[in-house]
Amino acid sequence: SQKIEQNSEALNIQEGKTATLTCNYTNYSPAYLQWYRQDPGRGPVFLLLIRENEKEKRKERLKVTFDTTLKQSLFHITASPPADSATYLCAPSPKTDKLIFGTGTRLQVFP
Amino acid sequence: AAGVIQSPRHLIKEKRETATLKCYPIPRHDTVYWYQQGPGQDPQFLISFYEKMQSDKGSIPDRFSAQQFSDYHSELNMSSLELGDSALYFCASSLRTVDTGELFFGEGSRLTVL
Repeated sequence: SQKIEQNSEALNIQEGKTATLTCNYTNYSPAYLQWYRQDPGRGPVFLLLIRENEKEKRKERLKVTFDTTLKQSLFHITASPPADSATYLCAPSPKTDKLIFGTGTRLQVFP
Repeated sequence: AAGVIQSPRHLIKEKRETATLKCYPIPRHDTVYWYQQGPGQDPQFLISFYEKMQSDKGSIPDRFSAQQFSDYHSELNMSSLELGDSALYFCASSLRTVDTGELFFGEGSRLTVL
């Protein structure tokens, strides 16, 4: 069955450092992969999308890579301020109306 | 800009009661999704609608039903409520013709079953 795994442990980093979050998927052939941010009690907010034919994509302080051979996406946030503290969800998308989220990684940025 | 509107924001029900959640998508969006998120869990896909027809189905219990109306708003009906149904219920909308797949989420409806 389809499975999406993200770092299960919370990721703690110091302000100004780079955080790297991992998303692994199995039994999937996503046409693209999305990343969302979710704050406690709030709805997820779209951050970035990367297509299967793109290896890397950047948006401001964010960088996402997509390796369809390894079935993995890496999400990097550089120079993180404490405001980046949130849960980050990945969603490999087979291009249907059934977007499935990974387990999420909680990022905590300390001042 | 208009966002996805969900109501009610909070709902308290007793076991075996019925609850109805409403979702008003962003104007001109043609696809609506429902997700259930339990405490400490990731959002679980329940069901989606495209142009008022059910387009995909996830782990939605048989006690739940949903529909999308002619004005594109959607309702999630939950009957015979159980304690385990206590969760945040998110609605999201998107425009299928925009090939980014980005979903816009509402603020959620928190259901508590006592």
